Amino acid sequence: GQQLNQSPQSMFIQEGEDVSMNCTSSSIFNTWLWYKQDPGEGPVLLIALYKAGELTSNGRLTAQFGITRKDSFLNISASIPSDVGIYFCAGHGESSSNTGKLIFGQGTTLQVKP
Amino acid sequence: ETGVTQSPTHLIKTRGQQVTLRCSSQSGHNTVSWYQQALGQGPQFIFQYYREEENGRGNFPPRFSGLQFPNYSSELNVNALELDDSALYLCASSSLSGANVLTFGAGSRLTVL
Repeated sequence: GQQLNQSPQSMFIQEGEDVSMNCTSSSIFNTWLWYKQDPGEGPVLLIALYKAGELTSNGRLTAQFGITRKDSFLNISASIPSDVGIYFCAGHGESSSNTGKLIFGQGTTLQVKP
Repeated sequence: ETGVTQSPTHLIKTRGQQVTLRCSSQSGHNTVSWYQQALGQGPQFIFQYYREEENGRGNFPPRFSGLQFPNYSSELNVNALELDDSALYLCASSSLSGANVLTFGAGSRLTVL
């Protein structure tokens, strides 16, 4: 089945540093989404991407939908302690856009040292 | 605007038992999806309900079943529980026009002993 490879698995950075994480797939995706999950909570949507090449920002967060439709990245600029959490990429494959079947990556755990 | 609410938040069952988890969708949303998230993993799609019918299913056995009610709320039922069913079960709702954008609840943490 379709899978997403997300990297890095974890990051430990200093407050103020920029962060970059990415997701790749062996097959084409029609939608790329980035979620953040805090302990004891469900994932919260950060950015949604719908077109190849699309670059979208949400405050200090920027994400891009790769031209090949098989990858996406998320950048966080000037990290702050509340950025701590687990970040997931997710997407809809070509055959599942209308079924709610999001495929998730394994997550990137981000820790920020004040 | 009320978000997605799930109950119970935590529960413990033993192998072979049955469990029912409940979900109220966000106001204005008519579609509900269920996901299983094992510890340290990303969520995995179980199934989606739209107009009270199953609309897409992931790679889960038939002992995982669901219902959607006229008010768009939903239940996830798991029969003959196994140890590997221990996980966080997430409900997510969406509107038909925004089917790609899911709003998740906080989840129900199931432990099977």
